[in-house]
Amino acid sequence: DTEVTQTPKHLVMGMTNKKSLKCEQHMGHRAMYWYKQKAKKPPELMFVYSYEKLSINESVPSRFSPECPNSSLLNLHLHALQPEDSALYLCASSHPGVPGYTFGSGTRLTVV
Amino acid sequence: AQSVTQLDSQVPVFEEAPVELRCNYSSSVSVYLFWYVQYPNQGLQLLLKYLSGSTLVKGINGFEAEFNKSQTSFHLRKPSVHISDTAEYFCAGTRYQGAQKLVFGQGTRLTINP
Repeated sequence: DTEVTQTPKHLVMGMTNKKSLKCEQHMGHRAMYWYKQKAKKPPELMFVYSYEKLSINESVPSRFSPECPNSSLLNLHLHALQPEDSALYLCASSHPGVPGYTFGSGTRLTVV
Repeated sequence: AQSVTQLDSQVPVFEEAPVELRCNYSSSVSVYLFWYVQYPNQGLQLLLKYLSGSTLVKGINGFEAEFNKSQTSFHLRKPSVHISDTAEYFCAGTRYQGAQKLVFGQGTRLTINP
C-alpha cells in the first residue's frame, strides 16, 4: 500500500456544524501532516505530527483541532468554521529519515 | 530562512514542444528538492526528487530536472509535452529528514495548446 487515503472527498458544512476529516496511511510513515490549499495557491502547512505527537502547529485557529489516534490515522476536527475556511485540505505522510511526502487526494471543504 | 521561487506563474506551450519550468532555492546548507504536479481537483503527486548524488534526476511521465548548486536552481524539463501535462506544478524544498516542513514555491500553471 503506497497511498494516503482521505475521506470524505467533498464536504459541505454550515458555520455551526461539527465535522471531521480523516486521513489514513499504511506505509509505516511516522510523520503526518495537514495542509490547507486555497485556489491557485501553494499548500500551507497547518499541523505536523511526529510519532503520534503534535510537533508543529502553525498558529492555526482553535476551530481546527487535529488528532492522531495511532501511527496510521490522522483526523482534523472542525467546529464553527467560517466561509473563508473553504479550501482543499490535504493530508501527507513521510518516513523517518527519508525526505519528501506522500500526499492524499484531499478533501474539498465548503463552509456555508 | 529557506525559500523556493518559481519564476513563472504561467507557461503556455504547444503540444509536442519542449518545456522548462524554472525553480530557484535559497539555502546555505544541504537541501532536498522536489517537483510535484497537481491536476485539477486532485492532490499533489511527486514527479521527482533530488536528495544527493547525480545532479540530473529523472522522474515520472518523461520529466527530468537538474540540480545546479552554483546557480541554486532546480529547473524541470520535458522534451515533448502532451495535452495531459496541463496542470499546476510546484517546486518544494526542505532541509530536514525527520518531520519536515516542506517549503513550496508559488506554483507554475502549465497550459498545453493543441
